[in-house]
Amino acid sequence: QVQLQESGPGLVKPSETLSLTCTVSGASISSGDYYWSWIRQPPGKGLEWMGYVYYTGSSYYSPSLKSRVSISVDTSKNQFSLKLTSVTAADTAVYYCARGGSVDPFDYWGQGTLVTVSS
Amino acid sequence: NFMLTQPHSVSESPGKTVTISCTRSSGSIARNYVQWYQQRPGSSPTTVIYDDNQRPSGVPDRFSGSIDSSSNSASLNISGLKTEDEADYYCQSYGDSIVVFGGGTKLTVL
Repeated sequence: QVQLQESGPGLVKPSETLSLTCTVSGASISSGDYYWSWIRQPPGKGLEWMGYVYYTGSSYYSPSLKSRVSISVDTSKNQFSLKLTSVTAADTAVYYCARGGSVDPFDYWGQGTLVTVSS
Repeated sequence: NFMLTQPHSVSESPGKTVTISCTRSSGSIARNYVQWYQQRPGSSPTTVIYDDNQRPSGVPDRFSGSIDSSSNSASLNISGLKTEDEADYYCQSYGDSIVVFGGGTKLTVL
């Protein structure tokens, strides 16, 4: 069974960098069968796609976040990671990692992790 | 790029049928597949429809999806409503190296 688990700090200070990692089990990122995505959801609001990465390291980002976001992959650890720079309170959200992206639906999601941006 | 617009909320009684629309702002709705996700409070989203009208295993056939090129929209239809269907529903599609979500629709079954 495919499982995804987000990990990282739950509190980040304004202007700093938010970093999260998603550990995948039950599937191999390096198989190349899927893209792997980050999606976030501010409290009480809708879903926002942030970007996705392929096992080769090729990545694609939301135009609205492109200047601040990067997604990388570590196939040896079967993990992919998110970095979001210069965060503000508006970046407070539940961050989900998910399998899918490009033309594929998001078929497996992590449980989500709440990241709060506050001093 | 394009946007997907959904009604903010819909409500219907148990046993009835409800339809949630998702209108694409530019480009043909038929150009790229549309998926639908259900999100119950405190939970991660789950897929109820993918590739416009396909149901994942385990999703009841009360859920169906369609697209209408004349209105440039996709629709999620839920028949025989149950209280457990009360949730937020999101449509999603994609473009050239981007993914777009609709704003979500809160379904109340009362």
